[in-house]
Amino acid sequence: NFILTQPPSVSESPGKTVTISCTRSSGSIASYYVQWFQKRPGSSPRPLIYEDNQRRSGVPDRFSGSVDTSSNSASLTISGLKTEDEAEYYCQSYDSTYHGVFGGGTKLTVL
Amino acid sequence: QVQLVQSGAEVKKPGASVKVSCKASGYTFREYGISWVRQAPGQGLEWMGWISAYSSATNYAQKFQGRVIMTTNPYTSTAYMELRSLRSDDTAVYYCARARREPTQNWFDPWGQGTLVHVSS
Repeated sequence: NFILTQPPSVSESPGKTVTISCTRSSGSIASYYVQWFQKRPGSSPRPLIYEDNQRRSGVPDRFSGSVDTSSNSASLTISGLKTEDEAEYYCQSYDSTYHGVFGGGTKLTVL
Repeated sequence: QVQLVQSGAEVKKPGASVKVSCKASGYTFREYGISWVRQAPGQGLEWMGWISAYSSATNYAQKFQGRVIMTTNPYTSTAYMELRSLRSDDTAVYYCARARREPTQNWFDPWGQGTLVHVSS
């Protein structure tokens, strides 16, 4: 199996841009699509990005996803940060047996 | 609109089983699958498995093999997740999410509201 490693926390000021990384431990990041979810306490995960960089309908274009094969990682970038973006963010992918794996989550603080 | 509505909270004793339901509406149930994900208190999201509502094919996480059974009822557009031999560390919120009809775990949208399962003696 493989692991998706995310930083436990990031913080940035309103209006700025933040990038959350998601590094795959084995297997090519380019071979298996990555999804991103926003999770607030007491709420269900909200899909943001699917298939590496496809924004879910209704998600502001301030949210974008990308993949970097050189670092075998995916990234979620949030620009024009708002206080309402404060939440936990999870990446997710799968392996050759179609088993899903989530990253450990990144707590975003907008201060 | 596409919606998944899950059954209510459950309290179970260690060793018991729990069966969580996930009723779909707003789309053709058999054209998709359902994935199940859980989140224990203070922990991250954990993928449990997937079932195709088209073929009833399943794919379970190794951790839950032998202890979980996922089923669907196409007549009521409902998916079920049964977890057996419950332990205290199975205490978590369990989510269903609409997924691909094929086993590729690359799209979960939307999610149910979650079902709290509390395991305690």
